[in-house]
Amino acid sequence: EAGVTQFPSHSVIEKGQTVTLRCDPISGHDNLYWYRRVMGKEIKFLLHFVKESKQDESGMPNNRFLAERTGGTYSTLKVQPAELEDSGVYFCASSQAPTYTGVYGPGELFFGEGSRLTVL
Amino acid sequence: TQLLEQSPQFLSIQEGENLTVYCNSSSVFSSLQWYRQEPGEGPVLLVTVVTGGEVKKLKRLTFQFGDARKDSSLHITAAQPGDTGLYLCAGVNQAGTALIFGKGTTLSVSS
Repeated sequence: EAGVTQFPSHSVIEKGQTVTLRCDPISGHDNLYWYRRVMGKEIKFLLHFVKESKQDESGMPNNRFLAERTGGTYSTLKVQPAELEDSGVYFCASSQAPTYTGVYGPGELFFGEGSRLTVL
Repeated sequence: TQLLEQSPQFLSIQEGENLTVYCNSSSVFSSLQWYRQEPGEGPVLLVTVVTGGEVKKLKRLTFQFGDARKDSSLHITAAQPGDTGLYLCAGVNQAGTALIFGKGTTLSVSS
């Protein structure tokens, strides 16, 4: 079974340009998450999809970030225009567990290898 | 704001030594997870602890959840070079919908 796939693995862009990151979750996983790790900081939650619906986007830094998951399959995260502080590793994760507020939370997350974004 | 503090940040030991990594918070978490991440890869779940005082073992790794569910520890017995990696603890946020991560402990085991 294929794992979570992310593309590109590394992107280098100039400040002000646009970048789109793509994530293909494990087939059948309704839950898809985006997380980000900025250098020297902890991995931070960005947003959560259940199928094609945004369940929680409280972690999105600002309106320069736009995430979509059309058809409830793959997801894209667009940064437009990119700023220097957007540099970091963007992780996508998926899970099969249903979403509910309870002890188990998101359940077991399967992470992709990450997309490293460098903004110059 | 829920935060998880991990210590130590870096650990370099010889093969065969024992070690303990700590994950502490002033907040109560409904559950905590431990992940291991290798360079160029995403985090991989090792264990989830749910009940205060719970102890789980995974071969040479022992995970403990504090009685008050505010802290956790990971103990590795007789470390091996294959244990090298970044160890992350993560707790479920208050809404129960996302994970809050610690900064991680980078472990290096040399033979």
